[in-house]
This record gives sequence, structure tokens and C-alpha cells, in this order.
Amino acid sequence: EDQVTQSPEALRLQEGESSSLNCSYTVSGLRGLFWYRQDPGKGPEFLFTLYSAGEEKEKERLKATLTKKESFLHITAPKPEDSATYLCAVNSGGYQKVTFGIGTKLQVIP
Amino acid sequence: DTEVTQTPKHLVMGMTNKKSLKCEQHMGHRAMYWYKQKAKKPPELMFVYSYEKLSINESVPSRFSPECPNSSLLNLHLHALQPEDSALYLCASSPPGGGSSYEQYFGPGTRLTVT
Repeated sequence: EDQVTQSPEALRLQEGESSSLNCSYTVSGLRGLFWYRQDPGKGPEFLFTLYSAGEEKEKERLKATLTKKESFLHITAPKPEDSATYLCAVNSGGYQKVTFGIGTKLQVIP
Repeated sequence: DTEVTQTPKHLVMGMTNKKSLKCEQHMGHRAMYWYKQKAKKPPELMFVYSYEKLSINESVPSRFSPECPNSSLLNLHLHALQPEDSALYLCASSPPGGGSSYEQYFGPGTRLTVT
């Protein structure tokens, strides 16, 4: 069974203070690792898909990286509007089913 | 356009009511999903439709009844719900084929309260 563990559960940063969120996973055969951003009371917003170890993707202040056991979401010089819960999810096998982590709640203080 | 729409945004219903949630996408996606999300928890998969056929049912109680009338529409019919069913209900869709086909795009959700 696929497992996803995210850390930390909560993170508080000063505006401009760069940091990283971690997503550790255990799957039988990774087909894709996904990062989402979710604001309170809203649906998750798709950010990135990573397929293989060594892959990196960037979007504005966010950069996602992937190894064989974990993924990192690096946030460079965050702003208050980056405050949200960041969810990691994985898919393995041929099924349209993803396993989500519990998320990291990020708060960026002005 | 990566938009999934859901109606209504909010729904309050009694335990004896029958109501429906609606989801729509016009991205040509051929897989559609229903999730339930409780506060401070990740989304929990309920149903998956692939090419308009039910492909996954995660042992959801029969008081939840999904329907996929066509490739763009997904409904969730609700009947005799319990207060513990109160949650944010999310619809998602994903493209056909391999590779990026497991990227799921979510709607804004319906906040359901059962009284």
C-alpha cells in the first residue's frame, strides 16, 4: 500500500525567509508525484507533477524536486500570499487513484 | 482552461432530505472523481468514473449515489445522510491516456452541512 508522509505538519516563516517542505513516500512503482496548494475551504490547486528521480520543476517562488524516496518543495523568499496548506500525493500502478499526505500548513508572516 | 465547476457552493440539508451535488468540466478529461474532505485532513477518495463508467467505489455507503450522465458532468445524489457526513465535497478530473493522466484538477468544492 502506498504511503505518503509530509513534514513538518505546520511551518511559520517570516516574509523572505526561504525554507523547504518534505514529502517522503513508499510506493511499489511511482507513476507520478504531485504537489497541490489548498486554501481554507477551497479545492486543491494543482502545482506540479514529478515523474522520476532527479526531476525538478519551478513556478514563481516554488521549486519541486524528486529523489527515489522523497520530494521537496522549496519556497524562496515567501510572501504572505503563499500561506496555504501544501499537499503531496503519489500514484503507482495503473489505477487512477492517488494517495495524499496530510499536508503542511504554511504561514508566512509579514 | 483548467476549470472544474461545482454547484452549489454551500448546502444545508436535513437527514431526511434528498439533494444532489453537481460537477462540470469542459477540458476533455475522461476521468472524474468525488472526494470527501474533513477539516485538517487530506481528501478522501469516494468514487472514480473513467470514460463515464464507474471504475472505483471506495466502499462508500449507499446513501451516496454517483452518476455520470456524460463525459463533462458528474453528479452525487445524497439521501438520508448523517451529521458525520458534513464535510467539503470535492470533484476532480484528469486527462485521458498515460503520463499526465493522473494529474487531477479540483473544483472549489461544496460545503455540506447535515442537520
